[in-house]
Amino acid sequence: DIILTQSPDSLPVSLGERATITCKSSQNILYSNNLNYLAWFRQKPGQPPELLIYWASTRQSGVPDRFSGSGSGTEFTLTISSLQAEDVAVYYCHQYYTLPLTFGGGTKVEI
Amino acid sequence: EVQLAESGGGLVQPGGSLRLSCAASGFTFSKYWMHWVRQVPGKGLEWISRIKSDGSGATYADSVKGRFTTSRDNVNNTLYLQMDSLRAEDTAVYYCARDGIYVIGSQPFDYWGQGALVTVSS
Repeated sequence: DIILTQSPDSLPVSLGERATITCKSSQNILYSNNLNYLAWFRQKPGQPPELLIYWASTRQSGVPDRFSGSGSGTEFTLTISSLQAEDVAVYYCHQYYTLPLTFGGGTKVEI
Repeated sequence: EVQLAESGGGLVQPGGSLRLSCAASGFTFSKYWMHWVRQVPGKGLEWISRIKSDGSGATYADSVKGRFTTSRDNVNNTLYLQMDSLRAEDTAVYYCARDGIYVIGSQPFDYWGQGALVTVSS
């Protein structure tokens, strides 16, 4: 199984400041089509996960441009350039490269 | 508007069975692969099953293999999760999610239902 390790577990950030979350994969998830099979989700309390980023760096339609994803192979980053109050949530990375699909352990972003 | 709505959750005794449904609307259900993902309250996400658009190729996480069965009805736009031999550790919120990876203009896990709580306890 591919293990995704997120860091940090918890991230206190002030409003307007930058937040950076790292996701490390135990295996390469860059496919031969030059796409990284990695996504990022935001989960607000009491709600289902919401897709933010797919193919490691493509922002989902409707997602604010303060969210960006980067990385390739085994190391990935989600950056929130200027934290807003509605960004208080848990963030998960997810690989869809191979079964079983797996998720990182989550990073709780708080103010 | 794309909507996914789970139903059928509740309290069940260990060893019992339960069937979850996920009613889909607002999109051509038969084109999409679908997944079940669960989450123990306060914990992380665990993928448990996937089924292809035509109903073939259902696959499962080791934690539920042999006990859970995923199926779908493309006429009535509904996804199912039959859960047998339930254990206390199956207690979780169960989400259905759409997978648009093979559909132009859609993305993997781009829509999720609100979830159904399953509690396994005596």
